Amino acid sequence: DAKTTQPTSMDCAEGRAANLPCNHSTISGNEYVYWYRQIHSQGPQYIIHGLKNNETNEMASLIITEDRKSSTLILPHATLRDTAVYYCIVRSTNSGYALNFGKGTSLLVTP
Amino acid sequence: DADVTQTPRNRITKTGKRIMLECSQTKGHDRMYWYRQDPGLGLRLIYYSFDVKDINKGEISDGYSVSRQAQAKFSLSLESAIPNQTALYFCATSDFTGTGLNGYTFGSGTRLTVV
Repeated sequence: DAKTTQPTSMDCAEGRAANLPCNHSTISGNEYVYWYRQIHSQGPQYIIHGLKNNETNEMASLIITEDRKSSTLILPHATLRDTAVYYCIVRSTNSGYALNFGKGTSLLVTP
Repeated sequence: DADVTQTPRNRITKTGKRIMLECSQTKGHDRMYWYRQDPGLGLRLIYYSFDVKDINKGEISDGYSVSRQAQAKFSLSLESAIPNQTALYFCATSDFTGTGLNGYTFGSGTRLTVV
């Protein structure tokens, strides 16, 4: 699975959009980009995933660049409850292995 | 009820004791995993199972063993607990491809302290 690079931490004001970047320059054609988050010692929670098209669900939007070497997770209206560690993971469907979590980005949403 | 249930939620045990952490799921998924998380670090894979007859070691399997008693149950054992196994342990499940609607589903975790 391709390696990902994320900033260690980010801040965002409540009500504003939180844009979390992820670089995955070695991604291959059959690898998906997944985003999970972990709220203070709880089990990680699935947010969204995509292959090459932009995706949106009730939680967030995922923007993947045309060359697929980077992506951005967008939380359109961040709330205090969105304070968490966000993990960007790249994985193929047939890799046969579990998700490999890095250290993620610690997002702090402030009042 | 939670889709993935871990018991116990918290446990304190003594060095050298055998301890079992249990995980059960109602997702109907074939694949189950055990992860460990240490403070300030991401999750590291201990063991995973793709079906009842399939058990595989992860990156940090030493000192641990697992048992897949049924599709819905996957237990993690520490045969002789040591203090550096103090950590937060997560069980997870996934469907065949892992790209189902919700990807992977994690339990709420077991906080284990070895004294």
